[in-house]
Amino acid sequence: GAVVSQHPSRVICKSGTSVKIECRSLDFQATTMFWYRQFPKKSLMLMATSNEGSKATYEQGVEKDKFLINHASLTLSTLTVTSAHPEDSSFYICSARLMDGTGSNSPLHFGNGTRLTVT
Amino acid sequence: DAKTTQPPSMDCAEGRAANLPCNHSTISGNEYVYWYRQIHSQGPQYIIHGLKNNETNEMASLIITEDRKSSTLILPHATLRDTAVYYCIVRGTTGNQFYFGTGTSLTVIP
Repeated sequence: GAVVSQHPSRVICKSGTSVKIECRSLDFQATTMFWYRQFPKKSLMLMATSNEGSKATYEQGVEKDKFLINHASLTLSTLTVTSAHPEDSSFYICSARLMDGTGSNSPLHFGNGTRLTVT
Repeated sequence: DAKTTQPPSMDCAEGRAANLPCNHSTISGNEYVYWYRQIHSQGPQYIIHGLKNNETNEMASLIITEDRKSSTLILPHATLRDTAVYYCIVRGTTGNQFYFGTGTSLTVIP
């Protein structure tokens, strides 16, 4: 159980265009999902927390107008990279946690990531 | 959330136990220790987590010291497929976010 699916796995786009990445929790509901970015040979960096039915919370230094997050249902969050530039090329990973009550210690489950290349 | 410190890299012979240490000296009472691993170009895979008691599952064992300032992830019989970057994360039940440190790159050698 606790499967997170991310689509697409790989995308190449031209500079100036926008790209949407989908993250789905397949067998559980997630009121909160998380988006990470990872550069080569680096660790995962948390970008934002996606909240179902409300605005996302962005980490310091992450541009909210650049990285649009929508969490319209309990099983789907999307990240749109707007007006992409080559420096946005990275590995984007989403995650979700089964909420089993207040003070839950349940772990995060991750999708398999999206490799974005902006040319 | 408490910060964690891990050695940047380790080697382990195939078939032997891999012991990956993690220091979390500023951990507080309600913070859990989580372990993940990431194989190249994939999303992180959950391994195990615990609060203060030792934990074991089909993948690994987690040993947490009595003062909870450090822990060790044990892969009992390492295989080549265990080659990955292993991350130790400390997180409380009130905080939502998981912040990743630099992890340990484990190489299992044939």
